[in-house]
Amino acid sequence: GAGVSQSPSNKVTEKGKDVELRCDPISGHTALYWYRQSLGQGLEFLIYFQGNSAPDKSGLPSDRFSAERTGGSVSTLTIQRTQQEDSAVYLCASSSGTSGGADTQYFGPGTRLTVL
Amino acid sequence: AQSVTQPDIHITVSEGASLELRCNYSYGATPYLFWYVQSPGQGLQLLLKYFSGDTLVQGIKGFEAEFKRSQSSFNLRKPSVHWSDAAEYFCAVGAQVRDDKIIFGKGTRLHILP
Repeated sequence: GAGVSQSPSNKVTEKGKDVELRCDPISGHTALYWYRQSLGQGLEFLIYFQGNSAPDKSGLPSDRFSAERTGGSVSTLTIQRTQQEDSAVYLCASSSGTSGGADTQYFGPGTRLTVL
Repeated sequence: AQSVTQPDIHITVSEGASLELRCNYSYGATPYLFWYVQSPGQGLQLLLKYFSGDTLVQGIKGFEAEFKRSQSSFNLRKPSVHWSDAAEYFCAVGAQVRDDKIIFGKGTRLHILP
């Protein structure tokens, strides 16, 4: 079956512009995660959606970052007024959501964001 | 506090040599432990996962990992590496709690010498 897909694969934007990154999880997966991966920094957790529960936004670095998940499926990560330090690869992952932190996560290929 | 430590940022080994990547964790509950691999330009892929039973876990691509509770470690090993194993490897820990999320280490980048 189809895996996790993300679009666009690459995004170049100018400082101060808003960007939207999209994630399509595996069908039926109730849990969805966003991570940021900067060079040499490993994976930085951003936000976690689990079913109809309120999302865990504890990893969002500033109020310029927001995410939503419509209909329990597709998710959009929005970065407003982008800054150069936002340049990174943004990874999305989904899991079945039945076992919380014990679930295997399935990752998309990522969106590489470059802010000029 | 819950944490995962991968003490080696970079590791270089020769093709055909054995490999061990270190991972130490701190976790209050019974941990689920994972190793993921990220090839260049790709997302992460699960190599193996441990939650109970035999402390030596076999994974894909010829990798294995050993859980040592007394040392809070979950080191990844491979008897003979191939050039295609060059990638970044992430250790992660979680628990079977519905709204919990797993915690990733910062990764170890593996370089292979021909």
